[in-house]
Order: sequence, then structure tokens, then C-alpha cells
Amino acid sequence: EPEVTQTPSHQVTQMGQEVILRCVPISNHLYFYWYRQILGQKVEFLVSFYNNEISEKSEIFDDQFSVERPDGSNFTLKIRSTKLEDSAMYFCASSPGLAVNEQFFGPGTRLTVL
Amino acid sequence: AQSVTQLDSQVPVFEEAPVELRCNYSSSVSVYLFWYVQYPNQGLQLLLKYLSGSTLVKGINGFEAEFNKSQTSFHLRKPSVHISDTAEYFCAVSDPDYGGSQGNLIFGKGTKLSVKP
Repeated sequence: EPEVTQTPSHQVTQMGQEVILRCVPISNHLYFYWYRQILGQKVEFLVSFYNNEISEKSEIFDDQFSVERPDGSNFTLKIRSTKLEDSAMYFCASSPGLAVNEQFFGPGTRLTVL
Repeated sequence: AQSVTQLDSQVPVFEEAPVELRCNYSSSVSVYLFWYVQYPNQGLQLLLKYLSGSTLVKGINGFEAEFNKSQTSFHLRKPSVHISDTAEYFCAVSDPDYGGSQGNLIFGKGTKLSVKP
């Protein structure tokens, strides 16, 4: 059964460093998402991506964040200069269509900023 | 904007007992409702969803949920749980009138279900 994969499973970085979190969505899906979950808090929407551009983003997704689909299979989230408060579990999801469709989630990347 | 409340952060139950995990959302306008489950070290997996129609929705693994518009609730139930149901359960809402057209999900904080023998 096809699944969303994410690498790495755990990333440790120093404050101020850039990180890139990688996701491989399910191959025939058209919509891609990033969510994050700070320990003990809710899963929060960051950004949705369709047709090679951002279709929606939350107030969390500021200029420090960017997304890219560089090669038609990978979907990346870049944080330019990490802060302590960026420490969280980051989930990638993909969907064949819009809201009524199921979003398939990856296992997550745990980002720890020291 | 929508918000989702899961009142119970942890629910311990014995095997074969019934369970109800509670979920309330903030608005009574038209919404889509979902329950996801996360097993240890895995991604979120869809259990069931309510889009329209019958208010009682059946999902995988014997779970069901009932949409109650007047109480803005979407509680998840299972009549008899198994050890393998031990996981974290997330309620989520997609609001078509607030970014939901793009499928953005608004999640609750999750409920950890622990099934004991």
C-alpha cells in the first residue's frame, strides 16, 4: 500500500541553523501539506501546496519557512534560521483532492533545536 | 476560526470494555469532521469522516462516531476495545468557509487511549 515517507525521523540542530525536512508524498496525489505538533500541544496546520505553489498558509508559516517540490517526487520544508520554539514533530501529508478527501500522513520528523 | 476540543488527554480502559472519546468543535456552521489515529512511531491514519448525510458514521476497526450539530460534538465510540486499539486519537475539523476549501485540518490536542488486559 502506498504511503507518505519522511526523512529524517529525528533531526537535531543548533539555534540559527537552517534545516530541510523531506517528504515523499504518494505518487498520484496533487495536494501536499505540512503540519507541526509542539510537544503536548495540538497538531497545527502550516501550509498547503498545489500545482507548484502555496495555496494556503497559516500565521505560523512566516518568512523563515519555505516549501518546495524540487523534482516531482520530494516535498520539502525549509526553516532558514531555527529558533528554540521550532522544536516540534513535523508531519507531511498528501491528498488526491480537496477537503472531502482523506489526507495521508507521514510518520513525522522530530526536530529538536538546541 | 474553528477550534477543536478533546476534553480527555488520557483514557485508560480494560480490554473488551466500551469506550467513548469526546470531541467538540467551536462553530455550528457547516464543517467536515474527521477522526485520526496514531499508533506509536507511525503517521496519522484516518479512522472515519463525516461530510454530510447520516449523522452516524462507521469507520475502520469497529469505531463509529456520531455528529451532533446542536451540541457541536463528534464523539468517537467503540463497543468493545482490544489491546491493539492502544494509540493516540485526534479529532479534526475542516471548515469550508475558512481555508477548508484547501483541505486544511484543524486538530484537537489528542486523546491517548490505553487498553489494559
